[in-house]
Amino acid sequence: SQQGEEDPQALSIQEGENATMNCSYKTSINNLQWYRQNSGRGLVHLILIRSNEREKHSGRLRVTLDTSKKSSSLLITASRAADTASYFCATDLTETSGSRLTFGEGTQLTVNP
Amino acid sequence: NAGVTQTPKFQVLKTGQSMTLQCAQDMNHEYMSWYRQDPGMGLRLIHYSVGAGITDQGEVPNGYNVSRSTTEDFPLRLLSAAPSQTSVYFCASSRNGRGSPLHFGNGTRLTVT
Repeated sequence: SQQGEEDPQALSIQEGENATMNCSYKTSINNLQWYRQNSGRGLVHLILIRSNEREKHSGRLRVTLDTSKKSSSLLITASRAADTASYFCATDLTETSGSRLTFGEGTQLTVNP
Repeated sequence: NAGVTQTPKFQVLKTGQSMTLQCAQDMNHEYMSWYRQDPGMGLRLIHYSVGAGITDQGEVPNGYNVSRSTTEDFPLRLLSAAPSQTSVYFCASSRNGRGSPLHFGNGTRLTVT
């Protein structure tokens, strides 16, 4: 079964609006990562947040992590048409013998110009 | 740097045929992995390697073999293709697999008839 589950499955907004995607997971994690996938391409790493961090920023991206609720959110501010893509959260359970990142099913974001 | 390079981009096989999906990275990353992506299933880990000569199974290893004779290459072998192996396959690498972000190739789309 999937460790991470994104919500919503699909999101459609207008350019300039903010987009919020949520991720819930089941077991304790070492870190949580967000990736973007454009159609027909591989995934691109956006941001990593460790279990002892609560919030992280990178440009127009803001990620929060609530380990008590086992959830994370990705906020994209002032969205652009180029942000149209699928967004995945991935949970990392170990930092010892090798990463076994577990991905959710993704949120399909459409930003309309 | 080319990053992670996967070949071929597309492949059609008949049931029972075998083939090797190639993956190479030029970033001197210790960690490499193979995922498959299916609609509604997210990405699932097939096999991974934490260094040359070391491989381990992921979530869905059956029907696939891997080897890691060099740091740069991590081929995935399908021993006897089945329609259930129709999928998009992604190779990914990271610096050390211990909490470091994954770099993905652009995928191989495989159809088994």
